[in-house]
Amino acid sequence: QQQVKQSPQSLIVQKGGISIINCAYENTAFDYFPWYQQFPGKGPALLIAIRPDVSEKKEGRFTISFNKSAKQFSLHIMDSQPGDSATYFCAGLNYGQNFVFGPGTRLSVLP
Amino acid sequence: ETGVTQSPTHLIKTRGQQVTLRCSSQSGHNTVSWYQQALGQGPQFIFQYYREEENGRGNFPPRFSGLQFPNYSSELNVNALELDDSALYLCASSSRGGDYGYTFGSGTRLTVV
Repeated sequence: QQQVKQSPQSLIVQKGGISIINCAYENTAFDYFPWYQQFPGKGPALLIAIRPDVSEKKEGRFTISFNKSAKQFSLHIMDSQPGDSATYFCAGLNYGQNFVFGPGTRLSVLP
Repeated sequence: ETGVTQSPTHLIKTRGQQVTLRCSSQSGHNTVSWYQQALGQGPQFIFQYYREEENGRGNFPPRFSGLQFPNYSSELNVNALELDDSALYLCASSSRGGDYGYTFGSGTRLTVV
């Protein structure tokens, strides 16, 4: 199965709070797990990505936690800012093939 | 180094018509993939081109077709447009053998009326 599940569908967080988005996948052939950020009218932009041999990756305020045995991974946004308000997509990639995206999470960070 | 450029940015077509969307890949990239993103949904894979040949296809009918040119740019053609084809069409370029360096364009917003 190729499906990637993502939750929650929408998320409202106060400025300075932590935003957490969760994803689960089924295809064990995936070997690259990116998170994309998309603003209205724009294409997805790579935010952060992880490979399955690593359990956690941190870049600034953004952290991916990866649980290979559970086939789950999550995005944590620390100190969330109004400028982080966007739609976030997780995805799985079997190298050389295509991305399978989750349905997206619409994040709103209140000032 | 330029990114991925798509044209046009917006397009309105009538049901039954044909449309061609264009994509210029990022410098150094030799693979182009096309995705359809319906409103409020994640992008869905249409097909991928490498060395001017289709190299993988998603669950889209044959009226969705494409081309890749020697300079690695690409076209997406859709025949017999249907209302459900209204979506944002995204092009992503990458380098086969590269380090997962996929870059998405800003997309073409197609509206079928």
